[in-house]
Amino acid sequence: GAVVSQHPSRVICKSGTSVKIECRSLDFQATTMFWYRQFPKQSLMLMATSNEGSKATYEQGVEKDKFLINHASLTLSTLTVTSAHPEDSSFYICSARVAGGRTGELFFGEGSRLTVL
Amino acid sequence: AQSVAQPEDQVNVAEGNPLTVKCTYSVSGNPYLFWYVQYPNRGLQFLLKYITGDNLVKGSYGFEAEFNKSQTSFHLKKPSALVSDSALYFCAVRDPQGSGYALNFGKGTSLLVTP
Repeated sequence: GAVVSQHPSRVICKSGTSVKIECRSLDFQATTMFWYRQFPKQSLMLMATSNEGSKATYEQGVEKDKFLINHASLTLSTLTVTSAHPEDSSFYICSARVAGGRTGELFFGEGSRLTVL
Repeated sequence: AQSVAQPEDQVNVAEGNPLTVKCTYSVSGNPYLFWYVQYPNRGLQFLLKYITGDNLVKGSYGFEAEFNKSQTSFHLKKPSALVSDSALYFCAVRDPQGSGYALNFGKGTSLLVTP
């Protein structure tokens, strides 16, 4: 099956620093990737849709200047949390859609737990 | 807007007994429905999906789900629960008429299977 790799799995940083999270599709091309955020014991909230070669589409209420998304190739999307603050601490999960796929299931990375001190 | 509801925060079942995790949906038209499972501090694993065809969908790890259009439900079932099935289960929907491919998730149901 399609494999999505996410790195790092855990990161701790100081307040005010920036953190980059990578999402890679290992055995397929993904024209579209999605970034979700999950708070403890809550559901996944879609943050943005990342399209290869174009600007990401952000959901309402998500600060695009704070959560920078780059989808430079068909197998890599990155999420950079800029000037992180403790309230940005969360579990971030990326997912990818197989290019040309029609049935719609998404394949998810293992998630990245960000802790901002 | 398309959405799913999972009415139960937690489901408890004894090992060997059948389990059901409930999901109802709200979509105009015919929905694409999915079930995913999440283990602690892990990403989501795809279990099964309904796109079209037979209302009873079989998926991974012995799970199945029944699409019921009249009740707008897509409940997840397994005939005999295992302790290892204990995890967080998410129902999700995508509107096939929509322009995007993102999934909208329910709040999740925590399944606890006791020995």
